[in-house]
Amino acid sequence: AQSVTQPDIHITVSEGASLELRCNYSYGATPYLFWYVQSPGQGLQLLLKYFSGDTLVQGIKGFEAEFKRSQSSFNLRKPSVHWSDAAEYFCAVGAPERGKSTFGDGTTLTVKP
Amino acid sequence: DGGITQSPKYLFRKEGQNVTLSCEQNLNHDAMYWYRQDPGQGLRLIYYSQIVNDFQKGDIAEGYSVSREKKESFPLTVTSAQKNPTAFYLCASSRAEGNQPQHFGDGTRLSIL
Repeated sequence: AQSVTQPDIHITVSEGASLELRCNYSYGATPYLFWYVQSPGQGLQLLLKYFSGDTLVQGIKGFEAEFKRSQSSFNLRKPSVHWSDAAEYFCAVGAPERGKSTFGDGTTLTVKP
Repeated sequence: DGGITQSPKYLFRKEGQNVTLSCEQNLNHDAMYWYRQDPGQGLRLIYYSQIVNDFQKGDIAEGYSVSREKKESFPLTVTSAQKNPTAFYLCASSRAEGNQPQHFGDGTRLSIL
């Protein structure tokens, strides 16, 4: 069975600092991988996705993520965080078997001025 | 702009009552999904549908029912059999590529009276 672990429940960074959110997955083959962002009381917005090909994926809002098969990881990065990036971030793994996505428990990002 | 509309935003259920959450999309997406989100947790899949008049159970389908009579609509009924319905419910949709949720509505928060 597939699973996702986001080791950090809460991260605080200063505005302008770099950010890395960790995501580790368990899946028998090459998975589909996703990062989403959620603001309080709202739905999720897809930041980026990996299906195949280049392991460094560019997304919206200046985010990128790198798929590392050897480490079963798909960490999300941003070089300079803005106050508006404060939100909850979810990593998800999807099996090619359609519709079956598993979400991590999320990482809450706080941005200090 | 295309998107997913969920209604109502807030819903209250009495004991023994069935309630229906609405989800409409104008993205012309084939696949639609219902997720449940509890505090501090990721999303858990309730039901999903890849085509009209067809749907599959997700990981926590007990106490819920759905229908998919039209491509743009995927209502979720929370039945009286669901003993712990208080949660945030999210509807999502996707194109055929990867068939993983890519667009989300803003959610419905269901509470018990």
